[in-house]
Amino acid sequence: ELKVEQNPLFLSMQEGKNYTIYCNYSTTSDRLYWYRQDPGKSLESLFVLLSNGAVKQEGRLMASLDTKARLSTLHITAAVHDLSATYFCAVDKAGGGADGLTFGKGTHLIIQP
Amino acid sequence: NAGVTQTPKFQVLKTGQSMTLQCAQDMNHNSMYWYRQDPGMGLRLIYYSASEGTTDKGEVPNGYNVSRLNKREFSLRLESAAPSQTSVYFCASSAIYNSPLHFGNGTRLTVT
Repeated sequence: ELKVEQNPLFLSMQEGKNYTIYCNYSTTSDRLYWYRQDPGKSLESLFVLLSNGAVKQEGRLMASLDTKARLSTLHITAAVHDLSATYFCAVDKAGGGADGLTFGKGTHLIIQP
Repeated sequence: NAGVTQTPKFQVLKTGQSMTLQCAQDMNHNSMYWYRQDPGMGLRLIYYSASEGTTDKGEVPNGYNVSRLNKREFSLRLESAAPSQTSVYFCASSAIYNSPLHFGNGTRLTVT
């Protein structure tokens, strides 16, 4: 059974600081996704990581994937208040198919002025 | 372009009542999914439909049924609602393998 663990689950940080969210998963996969959810809203796709060593960046967010360590990171650089949200990683089982993603429990991020 | 549309947005049911959550996508996607989101639990897959004409159970299917009516529509039915089914339900779709899921805006369901 595929398990996806995120940490921390809750993070309060100050504007201007850097921080990293970690996503570990339990079985072989080379496809990992990051989503953002604002309170009371739907999920928005941020990054799609499809191979070992993949790195994607968008503004102050950078995501990477290490399939050998079964680890993905979401790094926040010089945080701003607008990045306050809940961030989810989700993993696709190895072997292909369209049988859905397994999500972590989410990291609730609060960025304070 | 509406994307993934879910109805209703809110619903309150009494224990034992039934209802159907509707989902439609206009992106010509092959695969569709139903997830539930509970506080501190992330999203858990209820049922999915990899392609038109097929449906399969996900992680938490008990108490639910689904119908893939056509390529666009995928409905979720609660036959006899229970308080444990109080949750936010999200429908999602995807085009092809390796593409991200596109989510609807969710249905907030309360069962009393």
